[in-house]
Amino acid sequence: GDSVTQMEGPVTLSEEAFLTINCTYTATGYPSLFWYVQYPGEGLQLLLKATKADDKGSNKGFEATYRKETTSFHLEKGSVQVSDSAVYFCALLGGFKTIFGAGTRLFVKA
Amino acid sequence: EPEVTQTPSHQVTQMGQEVILRCVPISNHLYFYWYRQILGQKVEFLVSFYNNEISEKSEIFDDQFSVERPDGSNFTLKIRSTKLEDSAMYFCASSATYRDEQFFGPGTRLTVL
Repeated sequence: GDSVTQMEGPVTLSEEAFLTINCTYTATGYPSLFWYVQYPGEGLQLLLKATKADDKGSNKGFEATYRKETTSFHLEKGSVQVSDSAVYFCALLGGFKTIFGAGTRLFVKA
Repeated sequence: EPEVTQTPSHQVTQMGQEVILRCVPISNHLYFYWYRQILGQKVEFLVSFYNNEISEKSEIFDDQFSVERPDGSNFTLKIRSTKLEDSAMYFCASSATYRDEQFFGPGTRLTVL
């Protein structure tokens, strides 16, 4: 069945460092791909999305490109802030459900 | 901006009791979903609902669970006889079509004692 694999955390970075969180997927067809963010004690917020191959989703300085050839959707940000500390979930939309990766916790130190 | 709302934010119950978690999806959305997240673990799909019927359900969604859209605005998840392992955060979501992204509510934290 469809699945999402993302890098294990936690990831600890200093402020202004470059962030990459790897995500790969297995799916039949070409699903829409998403990154969701969960801040401490809060729900899931859609961070960005891409609906077809080579699409780049972007929001709040975060970017991810839908790579069909490598079945990947890696999340990047050029300069992280303390306020970016959260859990990041890669996900795909398959049929009637969203399938999530395990989540990657990011800590950003001042 | 329209959003999905859920009540209560936190529910504490005794093992064996029935609980009903409530959700108000975005008003023009037609597809509704429940997910759960056991503390520190991944978000898991429970059930999808469209046109007053279950569209898909996971193996987690056994006979102890049921969903209902009792009126034009609410969408509920009932757990008939709660177990300790039902303790989790439960998220409601909705989407305009099954191909669109799902918008999630803030969640209800269920604690079963």
